[in-house]
Amino acid sequence: DTAVSQTPKYLVTQMGNDKSIKCEQNLGHDTMYWYKQDSKKFLKIMFSYNNKELIINETVPNRFSPKSPDKAHLNLHINSLELGDSAVYFCASSPLFGTSGGPSPYNEQFFGPGTRLTVL
Amino acid sequence: KQEVTQIPAALSVPEGENLVLNCSFTDSAIYNLQWFRQDPGKGLTSLLLIQSSQREQTSGRLNASLDKSSGRSTLYIAASQPGDSATYLCAVRAYSGGGADGLTFGKGTHLIIQP
Repeated sequence: DTAVSQTPKYLVTQMGNDKSIKCEQNLGHDTMYWYKQDSKKFLKIMFSYNNKELIINETVPNRFSPKSPDKAHLNLHINSLELGDSAVYFCASSPLFGTSGGPSPYNEQFFGPGTRLTVL
Repeated sequence: KQEVTQIPAALSVPEGENLVLNCSFTDSAIYNLQWFRQDPGKGLTSLLLIQSSQREQTSGRLNASLDKSSGRSTLYIAASQPGDSATYLCAVRAYSGGGADGLTFGKGTHLIIQP
């Protein structure tokens, strides 16, 4: 199946721990994203990343760091977890380039199934 | 700063009715607008993508319109079915202004279709 996949689906951990969430897409896309959905179900962009540039939303603490081993993966590392980090984290991807061959922001984004993180 | 608002926050209607979900955004400088569906405990399913140059898109019983100048979009669902029950999210892709180049989401409309 072509898709955006995330592991694990559920993650329960203690405050202070360091954890990672993995994201893989086999759609051949160049740009990947991480979003956070809080307890009120509000989705907000955390990072966008393509093979040249990482752009970080200014509100994201530096305890969060995306790591991309290759174009198909963008993993999310979280250090020193806090209670407020509990949320559902979604990975997404989109093509970087448009039909004209240049970078295009007009492309559709495809989302993974989400990872529910619970910090105790 | 782009803000997206969805009205109503929740809606419950009998099966078979046609209904309209509303989305508004504060900055009309957008690339496109996407409507998503989210089922409880699940991920996001993209329903329709409307580019900034388009007025509407249709998929089956769904029709989405876009009025970029007034900052509004509507999602029309015809002949609603219990399986349409979900949260519907509207999101815009806007000029990032240096921020993370992602979608800006509304808080969603929680839709219940009564059998």
